[in-house]
Amino acid sequence: GAVVSQHPSWVICKSGTSVKIECRSLDFQATTMFWYRQFPKQSLMLMATSNEGSKATYEQGVEKDKFLINHASLTLSTLTVTSAHPEDSSFYICSASLAGLNNEQFFGPGTRLTVL
Amino acid sequence: DQQVKQNSPSLSVQEGRISILNCDYTNSMFDYFLWYKKYPAEGPTFLISISSIKDKNEDGRFTVFLNKSAKHLSLHIVPSQPGDSAVYFCAASNDYKLSFGAGTTVTVRA
Repeated sequence: GAVVSQHPSWVICKSGTSVKIECRSLDFQATTMFWYRQFPKQSLMLMATSNEGSKATYEQGVEKDKFLINHASLTLSTLTVTSAHPEDSSFYICSASLAGLNNEQFFGPGTRLTVL
Repeated sequence: DQQVKQNSPSLSVQEGRISILNCDYTNSMFDYFLWYKKYPAEGPTFLISISSIKDKNEDGRFTVFLNKSAKHLSLHIVPSQPGDSAVYFCAASNDYKLSFGAGTTVTVRA
């Protein structure tokens, strides 16, 4: 149980285009989903926290207009990187937490974004 | 500001021996600590956790120790197995958010 999927697993796009990444909790309802970004050989950096039906809470330094997060249902959250630039190239990972077990997060497999 | 630090980027250990991974934190408001294991191009998988009210938690080959006064925790893996080779992340929780360390790459030698 507690499986989280991400789609796509990797994407290559041209500079200036927008990319949408989906995060789904497959066998549970996630009250909260989190989006992280990881640069090579560095730790996961929390970008934003999203709760179903409400606006995402962004961490300091993360542009909310660039990284659009939508949490439309208890099983789906999307991250859209708008007007992507090469410096947005990174590994994006989502996680989901079970209601009542907010300390434990279940992570998706990640999405490798490369912006040319 | 890195609130969770793993000062050893890598660790090499012989199969069957003990692996000890260390983690330090600065925020005294953290109330829950977790260890995750991660393979390349995959998301982290949960290993073991400990509440701030405890000083030890054991699960099979994995034991986590917490020293609150020193703001230090460690993960012991014994005996180490080749399948344990991966990157291990220490994470600390405050208000449901996780702060991660930079990770320690463990290599278990046969």
